[in-house]
Amino acid sequence: AQSVTQLDSQVPVFEEAPVELRCNYSSSVSVYLFWYVQYPNQGLQLLLKYLSGSTLVKGINGFEAEFNKSQTSFHLRKPSVHISDTAEYFCAVSETNFGNEKLTFGTGTRLTIIP
Amino acid sequence: DTAVSQTPKYLVTQMGNDKSIKCEQNLGHDTMYWYKQDSKKFLKIMFSYNNKELIINETVPNRFSPKSPDKAHLNLHINSLELGDSAVYFCASSQGTGTSAETQYFGPGTRLLVL
Repeated sequence: AQSVTQLDSQVPVFEEAPVELRCNYSSSVSVYLFWYVQYPNQGLQLLLKYLSGSTLVKGINGFEAEFNKSQTSFHLRKPSVHISDTAEYFCAVSETNFGNEKLTFGTGTRLTIIP
Repeated sequence: DTAVSQTPKYLVTQMGNDKSIKCEQNLGHDTMYWYKQDSKKFLKIMFSYNNKELIINETVPNRFSPKSPDKAHLNLHINSLELGDSAVYFCASSQGTGTSAETQYFGPGTRLLVL
């Protein structure tokens, strides 16, 4: 069964500074990887996803993530954050094999932007 | 214009009551989901339906019963509410048959408080 670990529960960052949110996964088969964002009092929306191909994935709002199979990681990065990036960020994994198609989420990282 | 909508947005009720949460999507998607997000923000899938048929049924007490009258609606009925049912419940939908690569679109959530 797949699992996801988000190592940091909270990350404070100054406005316009870069940020990296860490995500590691565990699975015995190939995986798809996702980052979702949850703004206060809202549902989740997809930032980006890795299905196959290039390991560097670009998403919305200037975010990108890199799939590293040897380190089983999918860290999310942004070179310069804005106040509006304050939100909860969830990494998620699903397995590519038929019959186990559920999405498993990490426990989330709260990104707080300091003006 | 709301893609995935849920009603009610807030629900406060007494232990032992029965309540329902409704979900509708106007995206033309074939698959719908229910997730539970606990007080620690941990998000876990409960059910998924594809074209009104149950695909995923996680280990959820049988007090929870999903009902899909058509592929645009997935309602959640909860019998004999318990304190531990207090959480935010999210509905989501995806375009295909619920395969693991699909992007899921989330509703705004229903905040349930059981007293």
